[in-house]
Parts: sequence; structure tokens; C-alpha cells
Amino acid sequence: DSGVTQTPKHLITATGQRVTLRCSPRSGDLSVYWYQQSLDQGLQFLIQYYNGEERAKGNILERFSAQQFPDLHSELNLSSLELGDSALYFCASSPRGTGSTDTQYFGPGTRLTVL
Amino acid sequence: DAKTTQPPSMDCAEGRAANLPCNHSTISGNEYVYWYRQIHSQGPQYIIHGLKNNETNEMASLIITEDRKSSTLILPHATLRDTAVYYCIVKQGFQKLVFGTGTRLLVSP
Repeated sequence: DSGVTQTPKHLITATGQRVTLRCSPRSGDLSVYWYQQSLDQGLQFLIQYYNGEERAKGNILERFSAQQFPDLHSELNLSSLELGDSALYFCASSPRGTGSTDTQYFGPGTRLTVL
Repeated sequence: DAKTTQPPSMDCAEGRAANLPCNHSTISGNEYVYWYRQIHSQGPQYIIHGLKNNETNEMASLIITEDRKSSTLILPHATLRDTAVYYCIVKQGFQKLVFGTGTRLLVSP
């Protein structure tokens, strides 16, 4: 158990809909990362937040957005869902999000299925 | 783009040491070598990381060559539960993790 929690574990929805995935980082961790894992793309970085501020952006679609709240939990919002958005979504947290090295610890993921 | 090269698959007998190689010939001086593994569709699990010295923890040992262009992850006594995809990643500071295709390790009885 990494200490990172994600809800829900599974989500089934229809095309065009909007969903919210939630992540609670390990106690004391300031940085949250979101990754997407689909069958054809592997694990890909989406976005990083550090202490409430966006720090880095990866291959995140404009239909997707995220935020980190004052209590440091984070939410990933996916809208206008398409079949191709079906994937595993992982959240990771790290202590600092800065410095010479910072280890990321992953949650169990949310499996999103878009029908 | 992944900066590492790993064999796509490896086999290991249960109880034997599993030695997983990784090439990272373009690694820069301030980049660390990280190893993660993913068991089926679970979240990637952190194993170990190092800069230039060999490292050991309760899960594994990491051997980094003197020129830092390659490394080896050693699972000293592999069990069936070690069957997973192992990812070698080079990373600096708080950068994102860039996952390649990894090595699929199959531990057999």
C-alpha cells in the first residue's frame, strides 16, 4: 500500500459525458501527478500540481482539466468523453515536487470505460 | 521519449536471482536511475533509485556502472509474485516519469 488513494476504482459511462476522478496523496506529500495508461499508448504523463499550483503539463487534452485543493487532494475532470478515453488513470504523489530527486508513489488507479 | 533501453522480456526460475539490465547511454550528470514495476494493471510500484553508487533496499539491489551508461536491477530471490513489467527510468529532480515499454519478467516455478 503506497498511501495514495484514488476513487472510484471503476467508472463506466457513455460518450459525451463528464466524470471526475479523485486522488488523495500520501500524508505530507505536496506534489500530485496524473498519468494515463491505455493499451496502445502505455503510461503517459498528463499533468503535475505542486502545493495547489500547476507545475508541468504533458499530453493532456483540452477536454481534460485538473486541480489541487488546499487540503492537497486532486481531481481530474474529463469531459465530452470519447471511446478512446477508456483507460487506466493513475495518480502519484511525491514529497516535494522539487529538488535534486523526488520519488513518486502511485495509487491503485481508476479504470474508466466509455461506452 | 524514453531515454532507456530494456529487453522486452526475461524469464527467471523461482528462488533464483533475477538480473534486469537497462541501458541509459545518454544519461546526464544530475539524472537519477529509477526502477518501478507494474503487476498486471495495478499502480506502478517504486522499487529503488540511485545516482552513481550501488544501492540496496528490502526489495532489490541496483548496480550502476562507473560510467553510468547502464545499470542492473537485481531481485536476489525471485518469487512468483515478482512477475511484472519492470521499468527503468532516468529522471532529474521533480520531472515527470517517462515510461518506456519495460521488461516483462516471468518467474516460473
